This record gives sequence, structure tokens and C-alpha cells, in this order.
Amino acid sequence: EAQVTQNPRYLITVTGKKLTVTCSQNMNHEYMSWYRQDPGLGLRQIYYSMNVEVTDKGDVPEGYKVSRKEKRNFPLILESPSPNQTSLYFCASSLSDHGTEAFFGQGTRLTVV
Amino acid sequence: GENVEQHPSTLSVQEGDSAVIKCTYSDSASNYFPWYKQELGKGPQLIIDIRSNVGEKKDQRIAVTLNKTAKHFSLHITETQPEDSAVYFCAAGDTGRRALTFGSGTRLQVQP
Repeated sequence: EAQVTQNPRYLITVTGKKLTVTCSQNMNHEYMSWYRQDPGLGLRQIYYSMNVEVTDKGDVPEGYKVSRKEKRNFPLILESPSPNQTSLYFCASSLSDHGTEAFFGQGTRLTVV
Repeated sequence: GENVEQHPSTLSVQEGDSAVIKCTYSDSASNYFPWYKQELGKGPQLIIDIRSNVGEKKDQRIAVTLNKTAKHFSLHITETQPEDSAVYFCAAGDTGRRALTFGSGTRLQVQP
């Protein structure tokens, strides 16, 4: 089954404690991206990757890092989380084109206290 | 940058009726217009998309129309069913050049 898998689904952490949210896709997609979803603000892109070792900033990249060492994996890293990063996060992928997200993961609800 | 406005924010219809959700965009360079359905506790699911060289696209009970001149596009769901209840998002993008810009979402409720 074609899917994008995120882990964990839920996470509560404290300010400043580094965390990583993993994302993996099984469709051999080149393009992957991360979004955050906030009430009233909709979905906003954090980072995207066109292929292995190729990443770029989205609309709201501050406070986040990503890496793309393998085609299937695209982890989101919060080096020093802050309460304003409390949000619902989604990983997405598509075959090739930037800005054509076809599959989204189930989401990771992050709370930073 | 691109700005996408979506209306209405909530929509309640009776089972079997049609539902229409409308979006407008600002950037004339946008050429890709997907629609997503998000059920509670799940990620957005791409349900239909249209590119700027097409005016209308249909897939069973779902159709999307695009008016490039007026910069608006709409989602039409016919013969609605309770399982159509969800939040629907429109988006606009310039494929290969920038990220999608999403609308704020429409909560559709289909009353049995």
C-alpha cells in the first residue's frame, strides 16, 4: 500500500529539548515536504526536498532543520523547540514536481511546554 | 506572494444535495489547483486536481472548474453522502517553482 508514515503521532516535550519527527514513504517519490497546520492559518510549508541531499526552505522554516540522506526518509528536526512550535505537522510526498503534494502522512501532534 | 481565499468556512447540506466550495487566488502564474479532503485525525487526501490548461475536470461525483480570467476555481460534489463529511482544502501552486498555498478550509457536514 502506498503510504507516507510519520512517527510519532503524538509528542509532548519541554522547551529546548531536541526532537526529531521521522517521515518515510514507500513510493520512490523524489519530492518530499513538511507542513505545519494551525487553526486559522491553514497548512504552511516548512521545508521541502527535491531529491537526496537537495533541500530548501519553505514559507516558515525558522526553528526547523531537515535532512535527506536517503530517498525514502525525510526527518524534521527541532533543535531547540519552543511553545510557538506547538502544532500539527504533516509530511508529504509526490513523484517529482515541487508543489504537487499527492500523499500526506497521518500527522504528528506536537506540544511544547 | 500567492493568496488563496476559500468560502464558505462551514457548509451543511442534506444527504443527496450538492455542495459547492469556492476559492479565489491572486497570482496569475499559478497553474496547479488541487483539492484535499481531511477527515478527523488524518492527513489531507488529494481528491482531485486541475491544471491551468483545463477548464473542468470530473471524477464520479466530484468535479472542479477553473476560471483563469477571474482567478477562481470551485469544487462541486453531487449526491452528497454522510461519508463526504470532512474539511476540504483548496490550494494553488506554480509547479516546480514554489510551494502550494492552501485555503483556510471548509468544514462540510452532510446531514443524513
